[in-house]
Amino acid sequence: NAGVTQTPKFQVLKTGQSMTLQCAQDMNHEYMSWYRQDPGMGLRLIHYSVGAGITDQGEVPNGYNVSRSTTEDFPLRLLSAAPSQTSVYFCASSVDTLNYGYTFGSGTRLTVV
Amino acid sequence: KNEVEQSPQNLTAQEGEFITINCSYSVGISALHWLQQHPGGGIVSLFMLSSGKKKHGRLIATINIQEKHSSLHITASHPRDSAVYICAVKWGGNKLVFGAGTILRVKS
Repeated sequence: NAGVTQTPKFQVLKTGQSMTLQCAQDMNHEYMSWYRQDPGMGLRLIHYSVGAGITDQGEVPNGYNVSRSTTEDFPLRLLSAAPSQTSVYFCASSVDTLNYGYTFGSGTRLTVV
Repeated sequence: KNEVEQSPQNLTAQEGEFITINCSYSVGISALHWLQQHPGGGIVSLFMLSSGKKKHGRLIATINIQEKHSSLHITASHPRDSAVYICAVKWGGNKLVFGAGTILRVKS
């Protein structure tokens, strides 16, 4: 049981490049979400999904796109990377956010130069 | 918007000490989470609370819904407890809002 798997672990992008951060879970969790963590600030919600085909915006969605075509996968796309998107990104999932906690991936450290 | 405040920001304790970390929030919530972030960066869910108190090993979490306040206690602290402890509140449906975290260092 792998839990929540994020790839890549590290990435350096040039300004304007696009890329996709991958997140996969094998626990059949309906809820999946993406967060960014910046120094001195708490984790902030980017986008989330309550099931396949359903996504919604979080606190800081600008510059990011998501889709949820399967229960297992929830990729995060940066369309045109900016230095302000330099951060550590975490994906998390939950079977039921009312009654259970969250399982986090190990994070992706992204640097935009 | 829900504001989540944690205190203290930094905490250094001697091994064996009793530790308390506090979390306050501004708007009514459906649940509160305590998370632990290891020095390597991984995040682990410790507790989810909607009322009362929960205990797991040496960790105890309490919540007072009326006062909009939660505490995380660590009894008989150990150097392996050194980590960042994060409070997060669930409100407005499926959104989590996080505190900035408390950096705990336990010295032997």
